[in-house]
Amino acid sequence: GDSVTQMEGPVTLSEEAFLTINCTYTATGYPSLFWYVQYPGEGLQLLLKATKADDKGSNKGFEATYRKETTSFHLEKGSVQVSDSAVYFCALSGGTYKYIFGTGTRLKVLA
Amino acid sequence: NAGVTQTPKFQVLKTGQSMTLQCAQDMNHNSMYWYRQDPGMGLRLIYYSASEGTTDKGEVPNGYNVSRLNKREFSLRLESAAPSQTSVYFCASPGQGRETQYFGPGTRLLVL
Repeated sequence: GDSVTQMEGPVTLSEEAFLTINCTYTATGYPSLFWYVQYPGEGLQLLLKATKADDKGSNKGFEATYRKETTSFHLEKGSVQVSDSAVYFCALSGGTYKYIFGTGTRLKVLA
Repeated sequence: NAGVTQTPKFQVLKTGQSMTLQCAQDMNHNSMYWYRQDPGMGLRLIYYSASEGTTDKGEVPNGYNVSRLNKREFSLRLESAAPSQTSVYFCASPGQGRETQYFGPGTRLLVL
């Protein structure tokens, strides 16, 4: 069945460091791909998405490119801030009513 | 526009007690979902409702029941709570097609 695998955390970085969180997927067909962010005590909220191969999603300095050849959707940010500390979830939507989430990666950014 | 709301925010139950988690959305979406979030397990789908009047099992439905009361409301019921149901429960509602899921703030449930 469909699945999402993302790197385990926690990831600890200094402020202004470069961030990469890896995400790979398996799916039949052509899923849409998402990154969600969860701040402490809150629900998940959409960070960015891509709906077809080679699309790049971007928001708040974060980017991810839908790579069909490597079945990947890695999240990147050039310069992280303390306020980016959160848990990040990679997810796919493989068809009507089917959403699969990764296990989440906790990011901690130190001042 | 509140989006997705959930009540209660936090609940403590004893083993064997029952309770209902409430969820409402004001986005006029057709489908609604219930997930549970556990450390190291990500989000797992309990039940979903594709439209008013329909419900379907997800990955982990055992021990739960749901009711789609109307287009706005989707409730989750634990008939006889067990410690294994200690978790954070999220209600969510996606837009059309394979679109973004909008999440509620969650209900933190502790079963002793």
